[in-house]
Amino acid sequence: AQTVTQSQPEMSVQEAETVTLSCTYDTSESDYYLFWYKQPPSRQMILVIRQEAYKQQNATENRFSVNFQKAAKSFSLKISDSQLGDAAMYFCAYRSAGTSGSRLTFGEGTQLTVNP
Amino acid sequence: KAGVTQTPRYLIKTRGQQVTLSCSPISGHRSVSWYQQTPGQGLQFLFEYFSETQRNKGNFPGRFSGRQFSNSRSEMNVSTLELGDSALYLCASSWGPRGSGNTIYFGEGSWLTVV
Repeated sequence: AQTVTQSQPEMSVQEAETVTLSCTYDTSESDYYLFWYKQPPSRQMILVIRQEAYKQQNATENRFSVNFQKAAKSFSLKISDSQLGDAAMYFCAYRSAGTSGSRLTFGEGTQLTVNP
Repeated sequence: KAGVTQTPRYLIKTRGQQVTLSCSPISGHRSVSWYQQTPGQGLQFLFEYFSETQRNKGNFPGRFSGRQFSNSRSEMNVSTLELGDSALYLCASSWGPRGSGNTIYFGEGSWLTVV
């Protein structure tokens, strides 16, 4: 079974600064997808960024980028120029590309605080 | 395009009762998954339906069940409610074919409180 670990329960960053959230995962599969979801106080899960395991290039979405290290099974999220609206719980998630359909395995989450 | 819609958003039930939660996926999506979110256990996968068939099931007791209709709408049912079933129940939808890796979208959740 796959597991996802987020070792930072809480992180804080000053507005306009950069912060990196860590995520490691364990799998025996070679083909899979990794995601970062944001959950604001409204509790709706919002996709921030996704990475296909077969792609070596790190995904980027505006101020959000990832550092995907497949051999190390590491998938960190970097938020640049942090904004107050970035404050939320962030979840790292794994999805198999094989037979497990649309099932996501989530980490424990990292609560991000953005200080003005 | 409307997002994933969950109803009801909030409900309070008594121990021993049963509850049914509903989820309407994004138009065209055939896969619907359900997750339970609690402070202690985090986000846990309940089950997934694709084209009216259960495709995946998490490690939950048989009191938790679900179904999917021909229009892809899904319901989940919890019978004989326990206090520990108090949680946010999240529904997610995607286009769904195996291995497609397509994006999974979430609804706003249904807050269930068992008293």
